Amino acid sequence: DGGITQSPKYLFRKEGQNVTLSCEQNLNHDAMYWYRQDPGQGLRLIYYSQIVNDFQKGDIAEGYSVSREKKESFPLTVTSAQKNPTAFYLCASSPMEGAGTQYFGPGTRLLVL
Amino acid sequence: KNQVEQSPQSLIILEGKNCTLQCNYTVSPFSNLRWYKQDTGRGPVSLTIMTFSENTKSNGRYTATLDADTKQSSLHITASQLSDSASYICVVGSGGGADGLTFGKGTHLIIQP
Repeated sequence: DGGITQSPKYLFRKEGQNVTLSCEQNLNHDAMYWYRQDPGQGLRLIYYSQIVNDFQKGDIAEGYSVSREKKESFPLTVTSAQKNPTAFYLCASSPMEGAGTQYFGPGTRLLVL
Repeated sequence: KNQVEQSPQSLIILEGKNCTLQCNYTVSPFSNLRWYKQDTGRGPVSLTIMTFSENTKSNGRYTATLDADTKQSSLHITASQLSDSASYICVVGSGGGADGLTFGKGTHLIIQP
């Protein structure tokens, strides 16, 4: 059963807490991405990675961090420096960076307590 | 600044009717244009992707058109079904990689029985 998975579906963050969102793909894609979606707005790029152990900042990277230790995995950490983290977070992958169709995961909704 | 404008913002039609969603863009250089369908609380799913040389592409009851001269695209849905209720997102690529994708805010379509 190929695809891209995200967990958890819902995540609650307390004040000053770091939380990590999981993203895994078994599509053998080189490129992976993290987007943030807010109501009434288009998706905004947080970070992307073209290859293992390499990643680049997107438009709204402040307050977030990522790692790409394995081709299949691209976790996103929302740090305490992100003052407005409540949003729907989408992970995506594509065969090569910037080209072709992106395949999106089911998303993680992050809420602040 | 690259921009993608979608209209209408929301649309309600009766089941079985046709509808057309619009996407105007000011993205340069232009590489490709994609339409995605996003069900509420889920990740987007690709419907079509068109390059500069393509002016129409179909996927079942969905037909996308592209006029690169006027920088306009449309998504036509034929014989709508209740399952077509979703947000439809237009994305334009400028060939610059992952940070070269510009997302529209989407059109929210509701199909009424």
